[in-house]
Amino acid sequence: DADVTQTPRNRITKTGKRIMLECSQTKGHDRMYWYRQDPGLGLRLIYYSFDVKDINKGEISDGYSVSRQAQAKFSLSLESAIPNQTALYFCATRETNTGELFFGEGSRLTVL
Amino acid sequence: AQKITQTQPGMFVQEKEAVTLDCTYDTSDPSYGLFWYKQPSSGEMIFLIYQGSYDQQNATEGRYSLNFQKARKSANLVISASQLGDSAMYFCAMREGYGNKLVFGAGTILRVKS
Repeated sequence: DADVTQTPRNRITKTGKRIMLECSQTKGHDRMYWYRQDPGLGLRLIYYSFDVKDINKGEISDGYSVSRQAQAKFSLSLESAIPNQTALYFCATRETNTGELFFGEGSRLTVL
Repeated sequence: AQKITQTQPGMFVQEKEAVTLDCTYDTSDPSYGLFWYKQPSSGEMIFLIYQGSYDQQNATEGRYSLNFQKARKSANLVISASQLGDSAMYFCAMREGYGNKLVFGAGTILRVKS
């Protein structure tokens, strides 16, 4: 099993719908992240969390919210999806010493 | 200003040849870390190599090496003896200080020709 698991892997939805992307990890890392990937823009940080009581906005948090239900679980919500939120979303955990990120396999979201 | 700049949107290399993927970074923090990730067409992000700003030696991992030129703020990835399986998107990323975020470049698509 993967160390960082994302569900769903693929989702097609309509404008205005609420969507939740879920992430769970078995690496025991405190720090978890949500990134969004768009062609030509690389990965951009949406939100990150140090623990269940600590949530921080990244560079593109507008239109998104997160919940850290436990050390191992970090979910990303789009309250009212819009087409420009069509992207590949990655959850990641962070290794303490080097800062290396361990990524999930990605969730491809299409908003029609 | 861009923190991480990858100036090559796309590159071609002949199989078995070496290739260098460019990355320049911008930070005023003396402590930072530089990373390279590979993203094949299947989409997953694969960690390749890490270089700390205080590391004396250039990092190497198998066929991957990082040409770290601190004064020029560059951290180029060198892939030796390219293989068809090296065809992928490659991202350079930086962690500033002991901060909690990695900032990514826009990526370089590498295509290995047989």
